[in-house]
Amino acid sequence: GENVEQHPSTLSVQEGDSAVIKCTYSDSASNYFPWYKQELGKRPQLIIDIRSNVGEKKDQRIAVTLNKTAKHFSLHITETQPEDSAVYFCASDQAGTALIFGKGTTLSVSS
Amino acid sequence: DAGVIQSPRHEVTEMGQEVTLRCKPISGHNSLFWYRQTMMRGLELLIYFNNNVPIDDSGMPEDRFSAKMPNASFSTLKIQPSEPRDSAVYFCASSLFHNEQYFGPGTRLTVT
Repeated sequence: GENVEQHPSTLSVQEGDSAVIKCTYSDSASNYFPWYKQELGKRPQLIIDIRSNVGEKKDQRIAVTLNKTAKHFSLHITETQPEDSAVYFCASDQAGTALIFGKGTTLSVSS
Repeated sequence: DAGVIQSPRHEVTEMGQEVTLRCKPISGHNSLFWYRQTMMRGLELLIYFNNNVPIDDSGMPEDRFSAKMPNASFSTLKIQPSEPRDSAVYFCASSLFHNEQYFGPGTRLTVT
């Protein structure tokens, strides 16, 4: 089945710096790659997603890149702010059906 | 829309008791997912349904776990008998076809 590896598990940055989180997946048939943000005690919420027919997608300070050949995708957050502090999960769809999630990255942004 | 609704939000029970978690997906969504989240294992997919039919239950840890979806607006996840290692946050999520999954607020289960 699909396996999703996520790195790093923790990431600490200064406010204003950029943060990058990377994921690799195993199933070459995967086509959908969302990123979720989970604040403490809250539910995971989608922040951005990308499908296999594009290589990059941006939404204000957040961007995601996808390299299907290498089977990896990354989340980029620029000009980080304290409210970006949360756990971030990448995921990929397993054979176009259910999502398989990475183990998560705890991002801490200090001011 | 109220979003995905889960009940109860918190459940504390004793080992050996039966636990039933409930979920109401977003109206019109045709896929429903049950996840378990723990610090050690992260977010694990337990089972998912398409059009009320269970598609993949390979994530269900043991026979003590069972899930049903009797209609498009209701699903249950049952643990019988419960054990302390079942303590976790259980999320239900729904989606329309293969698009964004919307998560419910979760049920925090504690088995003593």
